[in-house]
Amino acid sequence: DSGVTQTPKHLITATGQRVTLRCSPRSGDLSVYWYQQSLDQGLQFLIQYYNGEERAKGNILERFSAQQFPDLHSELNLSSLELGDSALYFCASSFLGGSPQETQYFGPGTRLLVL
Amino acid sequence: GENVEQHPSTLSVQEGDSAVIKCTYSDSASNYFPWYKQELGKGPQLIIDIRSNVGEKKDQRIAVTLNKTAKHFSLHITETQPEDSAVYFCAASFLSGGYNKLIFGAGTRLAVHP
Repeated sequence: DSGVTQTPKHLITATGQRVTLRCSPRSGDLSVYWYQQSLDQGLQFLIQYYNGEERAKGNILERFSAQQFPDLHSELNLSSLELGDSALYFCASSFLGGSPQETQYFGPGTRLLVL
Repeated sequence: GENVEQHPSTLSVQEGDSAVIKCTYSDSASNYFPWYKQELGKGPQLIIDIRSNVGEKKDQRIAVTLNKTAKHFSLHITETQPEDSAVYFCAASFLSGGYNKLIFGAGTRLAVHP
């Protein structure tokens, strides 16, 4: 158990809908990262937040947005969902997030299925 | 651009044999290279990492080697066991907008047969 929690574990929705994925980092960690893992694909970095502020951005679609709250939990919002958005979404956390040599700890993921 | 290539995509070995997974990266400034193991239905778990100031690191049956000149690094698992069966991901750090992010390889599905 990494100490990172994600809810819900599974999510089934329809095209065009909007969903919110939630992540709580390990106790004491200030940075949260979101990744997308499609079928037979590696982990694609989406976005990073540090202590409530956006820090780094990857290939995140404009339909996707995220935020980190004062209690450091984070939410990833996916809107106007398409079939291709079906994937596993992982959250990871690290203590600071500025060092290139800092370990990221991953949560168990949310499996999203768009029908 | 930012890229990490990982080979092979699948690897099948007999229990007790060694397994080697190789990765190459594009940015010579990358200086942190973690390896993650992902079991079915779980999130990736860090198994070993290496910083650019060393060429090799070992932890029991697992070792990682780094060749900065050639921009490649490898994971070596000796005396493989069925519980080593999983998907393994390599990653490299890339500097982006003043901050570092991890770029992952596509993964290697390792099957260890009893």
